[in-house]
Amino acid sequence: GAGVSQSPRYKVAKRGQDVALRCDPISGHVSLFWYQQALGQGPEFLTYFQNEAQLDKSGLPSDRFFAERPEGSVSTLKIQRTQQEDSAVYLCASSYAEGGTEAFFGQGTRLTVV
Amino acid sequence: AQSVTQLDSQVPVFEEAPVELRCNYSSSVSVYLFWYVQYPNQGLQLLLKYLSGSTLVESINGFEAEFNKSQTSFHLRKPSVHISDTAEYFCAVSQYNFNKFYFGPGTKLNVKP
Repeated sequence: GAGVSQSPRYKVAKRGQDVALRCDPISGHVSLFWYQQALGQGPEFLTYFQNEAQLDKSGLPSDRFFAERPEGSVSTLKIQRTQQEDSAVYLCASSYAEGGTEAFFGQGTRLTVV
Repeated sequence: AQSVTQLDSQVPVFEEAPVELRCNYSSSVSVYLFWYVQYPNQGLQLLLKYLSGSTLVESINGFEAEFNKSQTSFHLRKPSVHISDTAEYFCAVSQYNFNKFYFGPGTKLNVKP
């Protein structure tokens, strides 16, 4: 595709529900990032993939958060037993190569936990 | 660890006026610096970046930023803004491997006619 695509764009979840957020990076991009952006704040790093390998997951806030990229392209961010503090915009970004200096961002998924 | 400060959460300015959006960072190691822009209902887009060489970098739409190592700053400037520059601007830093970006809280630029 022309850009990074994320789905759904909006998700409302009841507290305790599991959610899965999808990211389709730009075709051929090796690196993939997930960020969390709370209201009024800048994006905060969650995790980084190089192809299918998850090389850094230091930003995942708890063990309820899990990300995967099994075939080195599409990635899914899963949040189990959602809590109100999980409400945020989840951004996915990709870059062409390891060490690529320009990351291309999707429009994000806005998650609201009620 | 790195951190990024953007002191101004909102900057109102009239069209054709100059503007400066401030960015300061803290880091114990060398970093690379970026400005991203987010237009309404769109994703973040890279505006400009400093990797090495000349400390003054420019974008294609008239913005420029200057890396100042002694002041640990990377302020964004434009001599004459347009209505279309209305957006939120994020400063970010990365270490050598570009595998993690640290973003500031953002500055909302509101250009008024």
